[in-house]
Amino acid sequence: GESVGLHLPTLSVQEGDNSIINCAYSNSASDYFIWYKQESGKGPQFIIDIRSNMDKRQGQRVTVLLNKTVKHLSLQIAATQPGDSAVYFCAERRGGSQGNLIFGKGTKLSVKP
Amino acid sequence: DSGVTQTPKHLITATGQRVTLRCSPRSGDLSVYWYQQSLDQGLQFLIQYYNGEERAKGNILERFSAQQFPDLHSELNLSSLELGDSALYFCASSPRQGPTTNEKLFFGSGTQLSVL
Repeated sequence: GESVGLHLPTLSVQEGDNSIINCAYSNSASDYFIWYKQESGKGPQFIIDIRSNMDKRQGQRVTVLLNKTVKHLSLQIAATQPGDSAVYFCAERRGGSQGNLIFGKGTKLSVKP
Repeated sequence: DSGVTQTPKHLITATGQRVTLRCSPRSGDLSVYWYQQSLDQGLQFLIQYYNGEERAKGNILERFSAQQFPDLHSELNLSSLELGDSALYFCASSPRQGPTTNEKLFFGSGTQLSVL
């Protein structure tokens, strides 16, 4: 099976609250991580990425945190909006720049108005 | 809109048949990746091309093949189709230059293949 997985398959949050989506990985050699959002009927959409030499990276309303000690990745979404409802995937790249992206199964985020 | 174009959006065919899925990468992107997404397996990497040459292979069946043409568009050919091949097939391209760089993939909207 895949080593990239998610602690929670579904997450329901109130509009305006912050969301945290978690991802575990098992390969300590993974050097690059990326988060995607997939809405129904659409392809995965790039959100944010982070290299293994960083522990935090911020984008617009999103923050990715990387904890290499416990091999944990998280995506934080500030002030969650109904438009954030989607399935979120994390992916890791193993084996340096020649490695392929290995995707987790995904977490479904539902935002309640 | 990611800039990656896939056609057709939907494809319905019968077992044993052969189909071709087409992908046009984002302007300027030299790498094209094909992924299969099914309910039980998630997103599975199939194959990557860079500037017309195959660069990496993933879980691609021998019944499947792909190529990238001089204009950089790519086609994924699926033959001797089985019920289990029903899935969403995504193409992605990357703005990162270099044949082995595998970062920041931009995905198309996918082709939904239904094998009946």
